[in-house]
Amino acid sequence: EVQLVESGGGLVQPGGSLRLSCAASGFTFSTSTMNWVRQAPGKGLEWVSYISATSSTIYYADSVKGRFTISRDNAKNSLYLLMNSLRAEDTAVYYCARFWGGSYYDPDYYFDYWGQGTLVTVSS
Amino acid sequence: QTVVTQEPSFSVSPGGTVTLTCGLSSGSVSTSYYPSWYQQTPGQAPRTLIYRTNTRSSGVPDRFSGSILGNKAALTITGAQADDESDYYCVLYMGSGISVFGGGTKLTVL
Repeated sequence: EVQLVESGGGLVQPGGSLRLSCAASGFTFSTSTMNWVRQAPGKGLEWVSYISATSSTIYYADSVKGRFTISRDNAKNSLYLLMNSLRAEDTAVYYCARFWGGSYYDPDYYFDYWGQGTLVTVSS
Repeated sequence: QTVVTQEPSFSVSPGGTVTLTCGLSSGSVSTSYYPSWYQQTPGQAPRTLIYRTNTRSSGVPDRFSGSILGNKAALTITGAQADDESDYYCVLYMGSGISVFGGGTKLTVL
């Protein structure tokens, strides 16, 4: 059974930092592209960041570029999101999600597995 | 900046058919954007419904179908049931690892 379990959320003051983790099991994490997606209270889903299987390719949404850092440890089947200079507008549930890219000859691009999310609240 | 558009809300009667759409602020949606659809109920993680425009994810009932209608991607629910009452999000893949979510459609079944 596939499981993605996020942790590390909590209350942090504006300007502070937080590190989220996502523990993966039930699939081959080391060959999987992973993403972070967030959802502010009462709002829609927003893509945050992308990391390829080998960490060679990383992308960020403009809203977090320069403040957030995505990383992974394939030996530990874990995905991370280091969030610095946090703002009130970063308050959200953060989901980790596997991104399925298909194959070279049969590409596909969608989120196939999702975690349950961890809540980050930025407030003084 | 690319904006993916969805109807904010929609309602359907039980047993009825509803089509939700997913467009672009400028331009047309095609299969090249690999449209995908996700269902989310309050307090729950999203659930993958449709990918690659019209392929149902494992375990998704066949009353859910995806297509391209005109210049938009579409999600059609045929024979809506009470537990289809959810938020529905489309995602378009822009390339270079970037996915853009639509604002979501709140579907009411009544």
